[in-house]
Amino acid sequence: NAGVTQTPKFRVLKTGQSMTLLCAQDMNHEYMYWYRQDPGMGLRLIHYSVGEGTTAKGEVPDGYNVSRLKKQNFLLGLESAAPSQTSVYFCASSWTSGAYNEQFFGPGTRLTVL
Amino acid sequence: AQSVAQPEDQVNVAEGNPLTVKCTYSVSGNPYLFWYVQYPNRGLQFLLKYITGDNLVKGSYGFEAEFNKSQTSFHLKKPSALVSDSALYFCAVRVTSGGSYIPTFGRGTSLIVHP
Repeated sequence: NAGVTQTPKFRVLKTGQSMTLLCAQDMNHEYMYWYRQDPGMGLRLIHYSVGEGTTAKGEVPDGYNVSRLKKQNFLLGLESAAPSQTSVYFCASSWTSGAYNEQFFGPGTRLTVL
Repeated sequence: AQSVAQPEDQVNVAEGNPLTVKCTYSVSGNPYLFWYVQYPNRGLQFLLKYITGDNLVKGSYGFEAEFNKSQTSFHLKKPSALVSDSALYFCAVRVTSGGSYIPTFGRGTSLIVHP
């Protein structure tokens, strides 16, 4: 099993450009999440999904959109990138329901917005 | 408000000495607590979790954590630190939000083990 994979690993954008980050998991997990990690800020939840076709806002959703058209994929979109979105983005997944289920994380995407 | 705090940004310990990385939480109801480790340029990896039962939880790589309800703490421990344990450690608590269990993470503690 590949677990959780993220594409791309690195990306440099100019302000105003758009892009989509792809997360894929092969563990048949219901829940998927997008986080951003910034120095001294820990992990902050951007959006999450509790199943195919459903998404919800997390702690810092502004400037991002997501889609979960297939159970195994969770896409994070930046419509008009800003320098404040320079960060490392992590995708995670977990089993359905149960607060006791741990999360499985991808390797991250390092995004720089100039 | 439900939250988790890691009061130390950095912990330094000599190889072979015991280590403790602190975590305290605030949550309504029963907490489910987790520790994750992040090595440089990698994603987070699950170490251990507390759900219910025995207050001492054992996890991967020789780590353990003690749940203390009265002190609302879940400190990560290891009897003998290794240089390879140097990494960023995150404590997390899962809470309920509209029926979905959304985890809240601490800001992380950088563990540095000196040879």
